[in-house]
Amino acid sequence: EIVLTQSPATLSLSPGERATLSCRASQSASSYLAWYQQKPGQAPRLLIYDASNRATGIPARFSGSGSGTDFTLTISSLEPEDFAVYYCQQRSNWPITFGQGTRLEIK
Amino acid sequence: EVQLLESGGGLVQPGGSLRLSCAASGFSFSSYVMSWVRQAPGRGLEWVSDISGSGGSTYYADSVKGRFTFSRDNSKNTLYLQMNSLRAEDTAVYYCAKVSGGSYYFPFDYWGQGTLVTVSS
Repeated sequence: EIVLTQSPATLSLSPGERATLSCRASQSASSYLAWYQQKPGQAPRLLIYDASNRATGIPARFSGSGSGTDFTLTISSLEPEDFAVYYCQQRSNWPITFGQGTRLEIK
Repeated sequence: EVQLLESGGGLVQPGGSLRLSCAASGFSFSSYVMSWVRQAPGRGLEWVSDISGSGGSTYYADSVKGRFTFSRDNSKNTLYLQMNSLRAEDTAVYYCAKVSGGSYYFPFDYWGQGTLVTVSS
């Protein structure tokens, strides 16, 4: 099983600041790594797939990078609607696994 | 417009059974891998099961293997999750999710709104 470890668990930033979220895999996930955003009471929303491709309709301030075992989600300039929980997920191998999440909160 | 609508959640006693459904529309249903993902209250996301477009192949998390059965009826554009021998730790919101391509390697591009399953006496 590929274990995904996200850091930090909580990130406190202000609107306009840059956010950097990390996801580390216990073994190679190749580039089959996705990032999701989840707000309270809502289903997750796909942001990034294949490590670095933005999903349809996702603003350009969201970007992803990495391959193998180390991946990063960057939000270049935080908007008020970006404060949420973010999950990484791999579909390289079964079982499909998610990271435990990073909570991005307003400072 | 892609829509996924889950139903069938509710309160069930430990050891009991429940069947969830997910009605899909707005895409060529039989062409896509579909999945169930759950989220316990206040917790993260946990993948539960995948099913191929034809329904001929299924994959399960170890935590549900042997107790849950994932099936689909492509004539009705509907997914089913039969859950038996339910435990307290199965309490969660259950989401059905569409994989964005015909291969298992693609991410989830659409999710339903979720249905809550509570296992308690």
